[in-house]
Amino acid sequence: AQKVTQAQTEISVVEKEDVTLDCVYETRDTTYYLFWYKQPPSGELVFLIRRNSFDEQNEISGRYSWNFQKSTSSFNFTITASQVVDSAVYFCALSEAEGAQKLVFGQGTRLTINP
Amino acid sequence: EAQVTQNPRYLITVTGKKLTVTCSQNMNHEYMSWYRQDPGLGLRQIYYSMNVEVTDKGDVPEGYKVSRKEKRNFPLILESPSPNQTSLYFCASSFSAFYEQYFGPGTRLTVT
Repeated sequence: AQKVTQAQTEISVVEKEDVTLDCVYETRDTTYYLFWYKQPPSGELVFLIRRNSFDEQNEISGRYSWNFQKSTSSFNFTITASQVVDSAVYFCALSEAEGAQKLVFGQGTRLTINP
Repeated sequence: EAQVTQNPRYLITVTGKKLTVTCSQNMNHEYMSWYRQDPGLGLRQIYYSMNVEVTDKGDVPEGYKVSRKEKRNFPLILESPSPNQTSLYFCASSFSAFYEQYFGPGTRLTVT
C-alpha cells in the first residue's frame, strides 16, 4: 500500500536560513506521481509541484527547489533564504498510476520562519 | 473564475443528526474527492470519484457516504455524525489523481 512519511512535525528557523523538508514514500508501482502542497495560516491548500516517477530531474522555482531520488524513495523540498511568508504547513502526497486512483498525503510539516 | 465551493463553511451539530456538506466545481473535472484534516494526521482521503456514478473508498470511509449524480457536485453525507467526526473537511477536484488537486476552502465541523 502507498504511504508517505514526513518525519519532521515542526521546524522553526530564522529568516534567511535555508530549510529542507523531508518526504519519504512507499509504493510498489513503477509509475506514480508525487506532489507538494502548502497550507498557509489562512487555511487554503495551495499546489506547489507535481513530479512523475520517470522524471528524476531536480526542479527549481525561485527560492524553492525539489530533490527527487528514487534510490532513497525521497522527494525533499528546500526553501532557500526563507522568508516569514513561507511559514505554513507543507504536505507531500503520492498517487499510484496502477489500480485505484487514491491520493495519500503525509502528516505535514509545520514550518515557522521567525523574523 | 475556476473554483471549488463548499457549504457550509462552519457547522456545529449534535450526535446523530444527519448532515450534508455540499461541494461543487466549475472546471469540468472528472475526479473529485473528500479529505479530512486532523492535527498530527495530515490529510486523509475519505472518498473519491473518478466520474459520474463512479465512487470509491479512500483511507477513512467509515461513517461517511457520497454520491456523484452530476459531474460538478460531490456531496459528503454523514448519516449519524459522532464526535470523532469533528474535523476540518476539504473537497477537491482535478482531471485525475495524477494531476494538481484544486481544493475548496474547507468546512469546519464540530459534533457535540
